[in-house]
Amino acid sequence: GAVVSQHPSRVICKSGTSVKIECRSLDFQATTMFWYRQFPKKSLMLMATSNEGSKATYEQGVEKDKFLINHASLTLSTLTVTSAHPEDSSFYICSARDQRARQETQYFGPGTRLLVL
Amino acid sequence: SQKIEQNSEALNIQEGKTATLTCNYTNYSPAYLQWYRQDPGRGPVFLLLIRENEKEKRKERLKVTFDTTLKQSLFHITASQPADSATYLCALPNRGGAGNNRKLIWGLGTSLAVNP
Repeated sequence: GAVVSQHPSRVICKSGTSVKIECRSLDFQATTMFWYRQFPKKSLMLMATSNEGSKATYEQGVEKDKFLINHASLTLSTLTVTSAHPEDSSFYICSARDQRARQETQYFGPGTRLLVL
Repeated sequence: SQKIEQNSEALNIQEGKTATLTCNYTNYSPAYLQWYRQDPGRGPVFLLLIRENEKEKRKERLKVTFDTTLKQSLFHITASQPADSATYLCALPNRGGAGNNRKLIWGLGTSLAVNP
């Protein structure tokens, strides 16, 4: 149980285009999902906390107009990188919490590797 | 602010030995601590959660201890195998927030290589 999928797993795009990444909880409902980015040999960096049906809460320094988050249902959250630039190239990972679970464990997706040319 | 430190250097051990990884934290008394495994190019996978009132927790070949006086957690893998090679991350709940919205604070992780 507690499987989270992410799509696409890998994407290459041209500078200036927008890229949408989907995060789905497959066998549980997640009122809360988290979006992270990770650089090589660096720690997970939380970008935003996404709650179903409400606006996402962004971490300091993360541009909300640049990284649009939509959590339209209990099983789906999307991250759109708008007008992507080479410095946005990174590994983006989502995680979800099972709303029924007692403990605050995060279940992670497999990640999306974004390369902006 | 809360801070987590894990062994920054990679740990190389021989197959069959016990691997011990360390997680130290400061400026905080967390209600629990979690350990995750991350393989290259993949998202982390939850392994164990230990609460502040638990001294030790086991799951198959894994053992975690939690010393709230030393502000340290040790993560042990007994009878290690090459398949255990990965980066192991320690995470604590952020001081603020509650319930499902509470963020996790992450360590940098320790890379473990188990040699056959």
